[in-house]
Order: sequence, then C-alpha cells, then structure tokens
Amino acid sequence: KAGVTQTPRYLIKTRGQQVTLSCSPISGHRSVSWYQQTPGQGLQFLFEYFSETQRNKGNFPGRFSGRQFSNSRSEMNVSTLELGDSALYLCASRDGGLSGANVLTFGAGSRLTVL
Amino acid sequence: AQSVSQHNHHVILSEAASLELGCNYSYGGTVNLFWYVQYPGQHLQLLLKYFSGDPLVKGIKGFEAEFIKSKFSFNLRKPSVQWSDTAEYFCAVNPRNTGNQFYFGTGTSLTVIP
Repeated sequence: KAGVTQTPRYLIKTRGQQVTLSCSPISGHRSVSWYQQTPGQGLQFLFEYFSETQRNKGNFPGRFSGRQFSNSRSEMNVSTLELGDSALYLCASRDGGLSGANVLTFGAGSRLTVL
Repeated sequence: AQSVSQHNHHVILSEAASLELGCNYSYGGTVNLFWYVQYPGQHLQLLLKYFSGDPLVKGIKGFEAEFIKSKFSFNLRKPSVQWSDTAEYFCAVNPRNTGNQFYFGTGTSLTVIP
C-alpha cells in the first residue's frame, strides 16, 4: 500500500497570504487528521475528518480550516498567515472506526515558512 | 484537560548506554498508548503500541515500553542504544471512549554519541 502523501513538502509564504496543503491517505483509510508540529510544542491537533465530515477540532483559530473529499483526500487551509504559523504540518490517516485497534500513520509533512 | 507529559526534553547518551524515556498521562479511563519516533529528515513512525494484555510491549529495533496503570505511565526503554537511535521520540495517548482523539507529548530529543 502507498503511504500517506502530503503536498507540497516545502513552501514559503509571506504574512497575510493564505496557503492550502493537501493530504492523500492510505487507500481505504477514511479518517484524516492534521497536526501542527513546532519545536518545544510537540504535535498540536488541528482537526480530524471522517467521511467528509469534521469529527473533531483542536484549539486553533478560525483561520485554520479543512475539508475532506469523497475520495478521502483532505486539504487544510490557513488564511491570513502569521509568522507563528511557521511549522511542520502533519497529516495522519487511519481506518477511522471506533475500535481500539486504530493506529495513526503519518505523512512526511508540509514545512511552511512564513516570512 | 487531557495531557501527556514527557519529562526529558533532551537526552544525550553514549553508544551502549541504557535508555529510559518517561511518559505520563492524565486521563483516568482506559487508554491506548503509543510511542512514535522521528528520525532526522524522516516522517513519524510507530515504534510500539499498547492496547491491552501484557503491559510490557516490544517494538521495533529493540525498544520496549511498560504500561503501569497505577502510575499512569508508559515509559520507553532500550538496554543498549546505538548511534542510529538518534531521533525525536513522542509518546501518544488515545483514550478509548473518545475513539478518535490522540494526545501527544512534546517529544524527547535523543542524541547518541558514537
């Protein structure tokens, strides 16, 4: 099976711009979660999508949004970028059922630098 | 609020030294527990997981972790580290009744000196 694919891998934006990141989960996985990773903060949960519906949302401002398509691919969008949004954005996929056997599989991440 | 604490932020060891990384969580119910590793320039990978049964779980590359329910801990161990173990290690907790919520610690950076 192909792994979790995130694009783009690297991008540089300036303050005030917006950015869209893409994630293709493992084939058959219906759940996609997004995390922000910064040094010293670890992984901060952004949101999770399952079957095109947002199932959970973390503690981030409304500038951070996402969506999921019928093929389970997901996008996240950050509008009005701030310097503090510079981070590695990770996508993780899993089967999505509520059984205890689910494991997150991560993509390589999209590294965003805001200047 | 749920939290996951990794007390060691940076650890430096010589090759062949023993390793123990601490992980404590605050959730009182039944949990699934994980350790993930991020090698330099690579993506996060699952090192090991605990769902139920034997509280001592073995993972890849000689790592193991012990779940001590009374202490809300899931410490990671390796008897003899190698230079290739240099990486960042993250503990994660998935409370069962939330189904899909995962809480991560802030990570421990391990440097192994040859």
